[in-house]
Amino acid sequence: SQQGEEDPQALSIQEGENATMNCSYKTSINNLQWYRQNSGRGLVHLILIRSNEREKHSGRLRVTLDTSKKSSSLLITASRAADTASYFCATARIMDSNYQLIWGAGTKLIIKP
Amino acid sequence: EPEVTQTPSHQVTQMGQEVILRCVPISNHLYFYWYRQILGQKVEFLVSFYNNEISEKSEIFDDQFSVERPDGSNFTLKIRSTKLEDSAMYFCASRSGQETQYFGPGTRLLVL
Repeated sequence: SQQGEEDPQALSIQEGENATMNCSYKTSINNLQWYRQNSGRGLVHLILIRSNEREKHSGRLRVTLDTSKKSSSLLITASRAADTASYFCATARIMDSNYQLIWGAGTKLIIKP
Repeated sequence: EPEVTQTPSHQVTQMGQEVILRCVPISNHLYFYWYRQILGQKVEFLVSFYNNEISEKSEIFDDQFSVERPDGSNFTLKIRSTKLEDSAMYFCASRSGQETQYFGPGTRLLVL
């Protein structure tokens, strides 16, 4: 089954506005992670939220997790042109102390100056 | 800050040729991973490696793929006989006992 479906697929906003991206998943998880990818580049880890957490902050990032709805959101406040990138959620289910990340298709965020 | 490195950054090869993608994980990390991302598609898990053996692999990771940790620092992915559909960005990742996986910058593989 597919895991970590993001919406919207693409989002274009003005610099200074807030950007909200959502992620839904299907199976139980131990944690959910958000990554950023600049065009054609590597994956940069942004934030991890565990299944027993509901909200987490890191700088201008706020992540929420609703395990009853199997969904998460990533909010970027006061967006900047440098935030332009693709954002992916990835879910992890830990088994025997190891796990793989199951990825969504990503949201392409464009911040217009 | 320590980081995962990968070489080469780009590799072009002919169909049927063998390629070896190299990764240097963060030095005190214990778990190692390979993922791939076909252009415009999702990132897909290939294989995880712990304690000098494969701990999990996906259905993509067939007999054409192998991984090795030949020394204390490198972690390699070998594709024995490349196919056109192996063209993708290949990411290596590592983690300590904590949950966060740290990714390298990727190797873009193009099979002609």
